[in-house]
Amino acid sequence: QKEVEQNSGPLSVPEGAIASLNCTYSDRVSQSFFWYRQYSGKSPELIMSIYSNGDKEDGRFTAQLNKASQYVSLLIRDSQPSDSATYLCAVRKGLSGGYNKLIFGAGTRLAVHP
Amino acid sequence: SQTIHQWPATLVQPVGSPLSLECTVEGTSNPNLYWYRQAAGRGLQLLFYSVGIGQISSEVPQNLSASRPQDRQFILSSKKLLLSDSGFYLCASRDSYNEQFFGPGTRLTVL
Repeated sequence: QKEVEQNSGPLSVPEGAIASLNCTYSDRVSQSFFWYRQYSGKSPELIMSIYSNGDKEDGRFTAQLNKASQYVSLLIRDSQPSDSATYLCAVRKGLSGGYNKLIFGAGTRLAVHP
Repeated sequence: SQTIHQWPATLVQPVGSPLSLECTVEGTSNPNLYWYRQAAGRGLQLLFYSVGIGQISSEVPQNLSASRPQDRQFILSSKKLLLSDSGFYLCASRDSYNEQFFGPGTRLTVL
């Protein structure tokens, strides 16, 4: 089982619709979760972080976390063609010495069509 | 806020040639730095991380190495490139909020 799993997509949604991106993780003790957006040929850009169960909203983006189900999602409201990108889910994992690293899913490709 | 620089932006190298990729960070001191590789159509793989000058931890045994000669400089090297080393190399830094940000990346093609 992969540590962080995402559907590769593509997820195709019409402009103005809600895009729902999902991610599951295997380490039950994980506490910190992140969503990155990566445009083709570019580096990932952090768009959301979430640490507590429930919803966190930032503009058109809402991150949802359910630790009991080991599930984190990203909702994009009023999807725009400019949202077309690959979305990477990441989970923080502790390392020795108090340091940490991120474990990334393979990403879900989102295509928003006019 | 931090700014991460990487160079070169693109690189085409023959198999067996050496490699040196550089990452520098502005706007912070003593950052935790990371090297990732993203192969075509695949996820991000952590290669190395560093918590300070001269301190390097390797995540994946391979023909790559990393060094941190200065506080805000992180270098990825290889003595002899393999075809499988092709990919998008990303340097990342962790900020004071414990969030990771990426540099613009170096696209390496090994022929």
